[in-house]
Amino acid sequence: DTEVTQTPKHLVMGMTNKKSLKCEQHMGHRAMYWYKQKAKKPPELMFVYSYEKLSINESVPSRFSPECPNSSLLNLHLHALQPEDSALYLCASSQDQLTGGHSGNTIYFGEGSWLTVV
Amino acid sequence: GQQVMQIPQYQHVQEGEDFTTYCNSSTTLSNIQWYKQRPGGHPVFLIQLVKSGEVKKQNRLTFLFGVSKMNCSLHITATQTTDVGTYFCAGPGGGSRLTFGEGTQLTVNP
Repeated sequence: DTEVTQTPKHLVMGMTNKKSLKCEQHMGHRAMYWYKQKAKKPPELMFVYSYEKLSINESVPSRFSPECPNSSLLNLHLHALQPEDSALYLCASSQDQLTGGHSGNTIYFGEGSWLTVV
Repeated sequence: GQQVMQIPQYQHVQEGEDFTTYCNSSTTLSNIQWYKQRPGGHPVFLIQLVKSGEVKKQNRLTFLFGVSKMNCSLHITATQTTDVGTYFCAGPGGGSRLTFGEGTQLTVNP
């Protein structure tokens, strides 16, 4: 069982809709992530929040808008998405933000939100 | 940027056969992590290796971090149907990123 919880598990939305994905963790982790995963592909990093501040945006289109209300919560606001945005959206957390020289910091993934844009 | 190449992309085995997936990095890695993703599921952390030449075992799974710290492998002895899934290696990608290999999708025929 994962300690990172995501809602909703499944979401179908039209291209003009506005919806949000929500993520919560109670492990005291200070880094939280949004990943996007297409079928048969590895997760692709979208955003990283470290200590509630956005530290990485991997050139994600503005129709995806992240928000970190507090250290336990992470949202992804969706607006005017395209059918090609349909994917599994994974939230994750780690104790601290990963750095290239560190040997720790396992990432814990939530179960994901399956998004279909019609 | 750093790349992690993983082979094979797919592996089909009969239950009881062994399985190995390999990863190679374009640069030296400070550590390597392994994740398993069951069909329809999410990636689940398996293990992390840090030292050159390190070998770790979890029951039938054996993880190796190469001496050069540029390659690694996961070997499963006597596969079972519960081993089905996609196995990803992942290493630090620079700038606070985790770079995943493309994954090896394992199917086990009973």
